[in-house]
Amino acid sequence: DIQVTQSPSILPASVGDRVAITCRASESVSDWLAWFQQKPGKAPKLLIYKASTLETGVPSRFSGSGSGTQFTLTISSLQADDFATYFCHQHSNYPGTFGQGTKVEHK
Amino acid sequence: QVQLQESGPGLVRPSETLSLTCTVSGASLDAGHDYWAWIRQHPAKGLELIGYTSHSGSGQSNPSLESRVTISVDTSQNQISLRLGPVTVADAAVYYCARQSVLKTMDVWGPGTTVSVSS
Repeated sequence: DIQVTQSPSILPASVGDRVAITCRASESVSDWLAWFQQKPGKAPKLLIYKASTLETGVPSRFSGSGSGTQFTLTISSLQADDFATYFCHQHSNYPGTFGQGTKVEHK
Repeated sequence: QVQLQESGPGLVRPSETLSLTCTVSGASLDAGHDYWAWIRQHPAKGLELIGYTSHSGSGQSNPSLESRVTISVDTSQNQISLRLGPVTVADAAVYYCARQSVLKTMDVWGPGTTVSVSS
């Protein structure tokens, strides 16, 4: 199975900060990587698919980059609504795997 | 707007079978455009794809769960069902259904339902 490792696990940040979350795959997943946001008690929400394509309705402060084994989710200017947990998900091969999550919390 | 809603018992006894239903609104399963997946989330183990199905019932289950999982479709009710059994305490999790595509993976999710396993 392809493993995906996110870093950091916890990211202290303030409103207005530029934040970056990294996802590393144990082997190449090409660009078959998605990013999700999850808030407590809610289902994950798709933010980015195909590594860098913004899902409809997602604010443009979110962006994704990378290919192969190294990917980054960037929030250009953190807003109050962005404090949440973020997961990457590779679906290069079935059944795919999820990262363990990065919690963006108040500094 | 596509919406999904999971339903089923919140408590299952060990060795019994968990049965959940996902009702789809805003899209007809008969149209056959999409796949429909079940995912679960353990507090400690994170997110895990259980399996998916098409409108015709073709699909796959996660190899780690394959022998215990059945995913089926009822197009007359516009529902997808999950059966998992026999369960153990390790199957306690929040269970989600989601619309799945090759391109976008899982882009629409239900709110989830919490399942506990206890005697």
